Amino acid sequence: QVDVVQSGTEVKKPGSSVKVSCKASGNTFNNYAFGWVRQAPGQGLEWMARIIPSHGLIIYAQKFQGRVTINADKSTNTVYMALNSLRSDDTAVYYCVRVVTGSGTDWFDPWGQGTQVIVSS
Amino acid sequence: SYVLTQPPSVSVAPGTTATFSCGGVSFGTQGVHWYRQKPGQAPVLIIYYDNMRPSGIPERIAGSISGNTATLTISRVEAGDEADYYCQVWDSHSAHYLFGGGTRLTV
Repeated sequence: QVDVVQSGTEVKKPGSSVKVSCKASGNTFNNYAFGWVRQAPGQGLEWMARIIPSHGLIIYAQKFQGRVTINADKSTNTVYMALNSLRSDDTAVYYCVRVVTGSGTDWFDPWGQGTQVIVSS
Repeated sequence: SYVLTQPPSVSVAPGTTATFSCGGVSFGTQGVHWYRQKPGQAPVLIIYYDNMRPSGIPERIAGSISGNTATLTISRVEAGDEADYYCQVWDSHSAHYLFGGGTRLTV
């Protein structure tokens, strides 16, 4: 069984950057993709980015292109997500997900516990 | 990319059946997936590939798809089923993962 464990709560000023980490347990890190999904207070789920660590292949949601960076450290089984130029509407819970690839489709399982990011002056 | 449409809320009595729709699924989409999110918790996968249940998900939770609408059905609803339910697809044309807006189940 694979678990993904995320870093803790972050409080940031508008205009600054945040970097959130996600460590995957188990020995399947190189066999899967990982991604980030966020959820603003009282809102739905929003996909941000995905990385395939074994190949370094990355895709970003168009909405976040240029502001988000995803990378992976295969030596520590850790995935990172950095978001810059933070605004108050970036206040959200950020979830790390393992991306399971099927035939022509992908789904997310499991999800990390979530990292609260608060952007406030 | 396109939009997945879910009704904002569904309310049913205990022991009855709850039905959740996810409309706007594009022709050629290879699978619709469903997640349950209880208050204060991370989402959990409950259906993948339209109708497949992960290990540990009971048979009273089922998925189906007809045309451009996917449906999640929960039979014999319990108070513990109260949660938000989200559908999700992979849109290969835009290379984006898409979520529906979610449906809140009240029992």
